[in-house]
Amino acid sequence: DAGVIQSPRHEVTEMGQEVTLRCKPISGHDYLFWYRQTMMRGLELLIYFNNNVPIDDSGMPEDRFSAKMPNASFSTLKIQPSEPRDSAVYFCASSPKRIFGTEAFFGQGTRLTVV
Amino acid sequence: AQRVTQPEKLLSVFKGAPVELKCNYSYSGSPELFWYVQYSRQRLQLLLRHISRESIKGFTADLNKGETSFHLKKPFAQEEDSAMYYCALSGTASKLTFGTGTRLQVML
Repeated sequence: DAGVIQSPRHEVTEMGQEVTLRCKPISGHDYLFWYRQTMMRGLELLIYFNNNVPIDDSGMPEDRFSAKMPNASFSTLKIQPSEPRDSAVYFCASSPKRIFGTEAFFGQGTRLTVV
Repeated sequence: AQRVTQPEKLLSVFKGAPVELKCNYSYSGSPELFWYVQYSRQRLQLLLRHISRESIKGFTADLNKGETSFHLKKPFAQEEDSAMYYCALSGTASKLTFGTGTRLQVML
């Protein structure tokens, strides 16, 4: 398995444009997490899914952010409209059914720059 | 609510010196704690988990429920330990929360 795959690796967009980030989790994993990494806030959990169902989206900053998981092998994080303060690295992670001590596996991240 | 606090953004030590990266947590249930590491240009990856009570790359971490801490320690820092370290807690409904991270810089 190639691990968690995110695309694109880098995205530069203008303020006001729609941005879609994509994630393919490891096959067979039940959980999928979306994080945002910034210098000030570290790794913030935005939303996570269990078996394609959103469990907790309390970390989504505002209505401009939305996430979907239409099937077990694909998830998207959308920002519409984008703003410069959304510039960050966005990570996707997946994990198997969570028994105590289960590891989460991370993608390489998408570096988003909104100008 | 669950929360992880890492008070230091940057920790600089000399090669061969002891390392302690601090982590405190807030959680009402039985915590499941981890340390993850991100080396330059690499993915975030698991370093160790508290239930294993293992030593990985010379690092250990002990869960102290009384102090709600899970500090990461290594007796002698090596140059290759320079990286970003994140403490994480898995709590209610398997929600995985991270701290703000500490950058460890090992100086020669």
